Amino acid sequence: RKEVEQDPGPFNVPEGATVAFNCTYSNSASQSFFWYRQDCRKEPKLLMSVYSSGNEDGRFTAQLNRASQYISLLIRDSKLSDSATYLCVVNLPNQGGKLIFGQGTELSVKP
Amino acid sequence: NAGVMQNPRHLVRRRGQEARLRCSPMKGHSHVYWYRQLPEEGLKFMVYLQKENIIDESGMPKERFSAEFPKEGPSILRIQQVVRGDSAAYFCASSPSQGNEQFFGPGTRLTVL
Repeated sequence: RKEVEQDPGPFNVPEGATVAFNCTYSNSASQSFFWYRQDCRKEPKLLMSVYSSGNEDGRFTAQLNRASQYISLLIRDSKLSDSATYLCVVNLPNQGGKLIFGQGTELSVKP
Repeated sequence: NAGVMQNPRHLVRRRGQEARLRCSPMKGHSHVYWYRQLPEEGLKFMVYLQKENIIDESGMPKERFSAEFPKEGPSILRIQQVVRGDSAAYFCASSPSQGNEQFFGPGTRLTVL
């Protein structure tokens, strides 16, 4: 079983749509959680950290369910510029801070 | 405040040559991580360093690969006797402390002919 698993893509949605990405992780001791985005295989850019209480940043909402080992990202009112690959990322405790990346889910927002 | 810098951005080597990839972390960051992204695959952790110390090299291939982060100067990822399978994007990330968010450099795209 992969350490971090994401929805297979690609997701093709029209502008203005709401889209949700799901992610599960296998290590229950995982400590920190993040969503990154990667454009055309350039460097990953941090989108947001994910907290147990859930957190929101503008059109983006991230949720964490530790009991189910499940992380989600919701994008509302999607824009053309949201087109990218979204990476679910987990940090394991006692492992020096290295990040474990999911394979990524590709999003394509169409006009 | 400059971000994480990597050079070269593109590197072409023939089989058997050596590749040296450099990474300068963000100002104030003393933790450096190297990741590799093979074509059509996700990012995989290679090595974690602090100044003059390798903390975790569990993701490094056992042979031909080495990394350092000297007291002065950038972190270096060195690949000896490159093979075609080494062709990938190599990303460096830095953070101010362990467990914090990591910020990535633009990567070095290595092509082995």
